[in-house]
Amino acid sequence: GAGVSQSPSNKVTEKGKDVELRCDPISGHTALYWYRQRLGQGLEFLIYFQGNSAPDKSGLPSDRFSAERTGESVSTLTIQRTQQEDSAVYLCASSLAPGLAVANTGELFFGEGSRLTVL
Amino acid sequence: GNSVTQMEGPVTLSEEAFLTINCTYTATGYPSLFWYVQYPGEGLQLLLKATKADDKGSNKGFEATYRKETTSFHLEKGSVQVSDSAVYFCALQTNTGGFKTIFGAGTRLFVKA
Repeated sequence: GAGVSQSPSNKVTEKGKDVELRCDPISGHTALYWYRQRLGQGLEFLIYFQGNSAPDKSGLPSDRFSAERTGESVSTLTIQRTQQEDSAVYLCASSLAPGLAVANTGELFFGEGSRLTVL
Repeated sequence: GNSVTQMEGPVTLSEEAFLTINCTYTATGYPSLFWYVQYPGEGLQLLLKATKADDKGSNKGFEATYRKETTSFHLEKGSVQVSDSAVYFCALQTNTGGFKTIFGAGTRLFVKA
């Protein structure tokens, strides 16, 4: 597609359930990011994938959070045993690897986000 | 570690006022710096960028200059409009050990007619 696509756009779940959030990056983008944005707050870095390198998982808040990426395409963020504090908008972004060409400045292209509500 | 600090909001201005949103950073190496904007009900989008010291990014009347000596990238606009009401995020992208992008907490701007 033309842009970053995320699904579902909205998810309401009960405390203790597992959820999966999906991100389809822009074709050809080697870098993929997940961020969390709580209501009225900034972007909290969760995880970063770059090509075939080991992902940077330093932002994952607990072992209930995990993410995978298949090659340079789809990524799935999984939250196990959801808690109310997990309620937020989960944003995915992709980018070209900067430096590969003059025009690649590392700009991130964001999806519309997945709004998660844990009751 | 790498981090970005922005002035807290909200910032409320009247139309045609001068805007400054402060941003300072801590980083190893020579990061690229960005401002992203999130308009109400919309996703984040790039506003402007600078990739090396003394570069000035500009777009839609907004400007920011990459100041290595003060580790700053303050956003300015000479005359704001109601349509500039949004949340503004300063961000840095490292260029060592990968190209991870870190965002500041965001600054909400309200512009009154």
